[in-house]
Amino acid sequence: EAGVAQSPRYKIIEKRQSVAFWCNPISGHATLYWYQQILGQGPKLLIQFQNNGVVDDSQLPKDRFSAERLKGVDSTLKIQPAKLEDSAVYLCASSLGHSETGTDYEQYFGPGTRLTVT
Amino acid sequence: QQQVKQSPQSLIVQKGGISIINCAYENTAFDYFPWYQQFPGKGPALLIAIRPDVSEKKEGRFTISFNKSAKQFSLHIMDSQPGDSATYFCAASIGNFGNEKLTFGTGTRLTIIP
Repeated sequence: EAGVAQSPRYKIIEKRQSVAFWCNPISGHATLYWYQQILGQGPKLLIQFQNNGVVDDSQLPKDRFSAERLKGVDSTLKIQPAKLEDSAVYLCASSLGHSETGTDYEQYFGPGTRLTVT
Repeated sequence: QQQVKQSPQSLIVQKGGISIINCAYENTAFDYFPWYQQFPGKGPALLIAIRPDVSEKKEGRFTISFNKSAKQFSLHIMDSQPGDSATYFCAASIGNFGNEKLTFGTGTRLTIIP
C-alpha cells in the first residue's frame, strides 16, 4: 500500500512570497489533515477535511493560509504571503475516516515539506 | 485550552535499559491516547495507542501505562535498542472514530547508546 505522498520535500522562499504544498493521501482515505511542525515542537493541526468538506480549520491563519481538497482526493496548502515564522515542516496525514466498527482511525503521515522562509 | 505536556525533552538510555516518557493532559474529554515515533526526515508513525477503559497496553517491547485519575500516561520501552533512537510524541484526542483531532505533546528525543 502506497503511503501519503507530499511534494515538494524542501522549499526555500523569501518573506512575502507565496508557496504551495501538495498532498496525495492513501487511496480510499476520506479524512485528510494538514499539520504544521515547528522545530522542536509537536505537530499542530491546521485544517482537517472529510472528503472535500472542511471539518476543522480553527487553527488555520486564514489571512495568509488557504487549503483545498478538490474531488475529495488530493489537497493543496498555500501560504500567501509567507512570514519568517512560517518556517516549519508541513505534514499531511490521512485516515480511513468513519468506520462502522469504530476502528481504522489511525492517521498515516507523509514525509512532510520543510519550508524555510528567509 | 487543550494541552498535552510531555517530559523529558530529551533522554539518553543505555542499550538494554528501560526508556520512560511521560505525558499529562488537562481535558477530561480526551478518550484516545496514541504515541507516535518520528525519525529524522520522516513523518510521525503510530507506535501504540490506548483508550481510557484500560490502565495498560503492551505491544512487544512497548507499553503504555494510563492513570485516568491523575490524567497522566506514559510510554515504556523495554530492552531499548539503538534503532529506537527517535523523537517520540504523545498525543490525545476526543475520539469520533475516524475524525480525531490530535493534540500533540512537544516531543522527546530519545538516544540509545551502546
